Amino acid sequence: EVQLVQSGADVKKPGESLKISCKGSGYSFTSHRIAWVRQMPGKGLEWMGIINPGDSDTRYSPSFQGQVTISADRSANTAYLQWSSLKASDTAMYYCARRRGWRSGWQYFDYWGQGTQVTVSS
Amino acid sequence: SYELTQPPSVSVSPGQTARITCSADALPKQYAYWYQQKPGQAPVLVIYKDIERPSGIPERFSGSSSGTTVTLTISEVQAEDEADYYCQSADSSDTYVFGTGTKVTVL
Repeated sequence: EVQLVQSGADVKKPGESLKISCKGSGYSFTSHRIAWVRQMPGKGLEWMGIINPGDSDTRYSPSFQGQVTISADRSANTAYLQWSSLKASDTAMYYCARRRGWRSGWQYFDYWGQGTQVTVSS
Repeated sequence: SYELTQPPSVSVSPGQTARITCSADALPKQYAYWYQQKPGQAPVLVIYKDIERPSGIPERFSGSSSGTTVTLTISEVQAEDEADYYCQSADSSDTYVFGTGTKVTVL
């Protein structure tokens, strides 16, 4: 059974750093890219970026470039999303999701993590 | 990058048909995918490749495409279909975008 299991909720203060994780199981982790998606309270889904766990090639949305870092450890079947200096506006639910394939028509997200709630408050 | 525009809300009575549009503001049009998200849950894929339905998704969910607009249709709407719905697309440079989202309310 394919599963993406994310790390638990976290509460941080502005300026602190944070790294959340997404562990894949039940499939070949290096065969599918992993994306990160933000959902701010009461708002829609925003694609943040995507990583190829096989070679760590990463693409970022222009909105998130330079604001976060996406990485992966293929030996641990885990992808990460990290911040070096959190802001209150980073308060949101963050989902990881597996991309089904690279060809046109298959570029959708077929499995999702349960989400990680990040709260940034002084 | 480009944007995908959806109506903020659609209201429908049980047993009626709900139609949700998703319009792209740029060409060429790529395939569209649709997700259902219920409160407190992760999104679930309900349509891929504009019109295809994944296994396990009820037949009352269907998709169509015309020009740069795609439509998700929910026939014979049930109370359990009340949720937020998002379209999504991708381009050839491996970047992705979600639509603005539509809240479907079953009256």
